[in-house]
Amino acid sequence: EVQLVESGGGLVQPGGSLRLSCAASGFTFSTSWMTWVRQAPGKGLEWVGNIKQDGSDKNYVDSVKGRFIISRDNAKNSLYLQMNSLRAEDTAVYYCARDFTYFDYWGQGTLVTVSS
Amino acid sequence: DIVMTQTPLSLSVTPGQPASISCKSSQSLLHRDGKTYLYWYLQKPGQPPQLLIYEVSNRFSGVPDRFSGSGSGTDFTLKISRVEAEDVGVYYCKQSTQHPKTFGQGTKLEIK
Repeated sequence: EVQLVESGGGLVQPGGSLRLSCAASGFTFSTSWMTWVRQAPGKGLEWVGNIKQDGSDKNYVDSVKGRFIISRDNAKNSLYLQMNSLRAEDTAVYYCARDFTYFDYWGQGTLVTVSS
Repeated sequence: DIVMTQTPLSLSVTPGQPASISCKSSQSLLHRDGKTYLYWYLQKPGQPPQLLIYEVSNRFSGVPDRFSGSGSGTDFTLKISRVEAEDVGVYYCKQSTQHPKTFGQGTKLEIK
């Protein structure tokens, strides 16, 4: 059974940093692009960025470029999202998903709240 | 960036009746490889989104055949032939033809 489990969310002050993790199981993680999608409270979905199987290619939405970094550890079947210089508008549930151009498997999400 | 515009933003449907959602993109979603990377997702209350349709018209594994997708270029449609109570939630179209990948605003389906 495919499982994606996000962790690391919480309350952080504006300007702070947070690192999210996504633990994958039930599929061959090392051969899969992976993606992060976020959803602000009561709002729609926003794609954040993705990472190639070996980590050699990454793409980001403009609003997080230079602040967020996606990485992965294939030996640990884990995906990460390092979020720096956080802003109130980054408050959202963050989902990881397998990325085959479509997102077929999603985690349950982890909530990040940026507030003083 | 490609802007995805869905209409309507909400609809209320009697069980057993059909429903249709339109999604228009600001640019053609036809990729140079000949594929059109347009997808439909449903987010049920309290759950992550789930994939319904990939590449315009292909139902994902386990998706009931009452769901169908169509369209080309910049105009796409998701149809539900006979709405059931379990279909409530927010429907999103999404394009992956060009980075950044972008979603429509979502269409909330309610049951009358």
